[in-house]
Amino acid sequence: NAGVMQNPRHLVRRRGQEARLRCSPMKGHSHVYWYRQLPEEGLKFMVYLQKENIIDESGMPKERFSAEFPKEGPSILRIQQVVRGDSAAYFCASSPLSDGYTLTGELFFGEGSRLTVL
Amino acid sequence: AQTVTQSQPEMSVQEAETVTLSCTYDTSESDYYLFWYKQPPSRQMILVIRQEAYKQQNATENRFSVNFQKAAKSFSLKISDSQLGDAAMYFCAYKETSGSRLTFGEGTQLTVNP
Repeated sequence: NAGVMQNPRHLVRRRGQEARLRCSPMKGHSHVYWYRQLPEEGLKFMVYLQKENIIDESGMPKERFSAEFPKEGPSILRIQQVVRGDSAAYFCASSPLSDGYTLTGELFFGEGSRLTVL
Repeated sequence: AQTVTQSQPEMSVQEAETVTLSCTYDTSESDYYLFWYKQPPSRQMILVIRQEAYKQQNATENRFSVNFQKAAKSFSLKISDSQLGDAAMYFCAYKETSGSRLTFGEGTQLTVNP
């Protein structure tokens, strides 16, 4: 019974390159959330997606960042033209219900993808 | 906007003793969820305990318990009989009942001394 799977666990990019982070939710979950954790900080909400729909992207930077959750395959967080300030841990979480959470309000997190921009 | 504040960047405790981590939050909502998550060095986010605001009884999970003071908007975590494996970063988090996001505090780094 696999949990939320994220890959790659570690990604190194040079400034100006593109970073793609993938997230496969738990089996039976159709709602995905992306959070970013900058060094020495808590997690900050970025975007909430359902299959083929972006529900809430109010936490996403306006430029260079995009997210998708296609009908088939994992959710992708894409960062174009990365800068050093993008270096962070990016966490994906999933839940099964239409309001985005279980009845207990819980999200299930992956182990995160650590992006380092040189 | 909701905010979550953890005023203790670092705490330490002796093995087998008890420690309390503080958390306060700001909201105008009457119903919501509160959580404590643990993040060990592996960086996995692990749910420790949850509390529904409409419940007056404080949540308890084995050695972990909370002191939920709704009027004061306070939600502290008590860890009893601390173990070396409890060493981690602990995050307090808030979620509206109908909302789609968790709001996290900045975290408290807990060290457990043998």
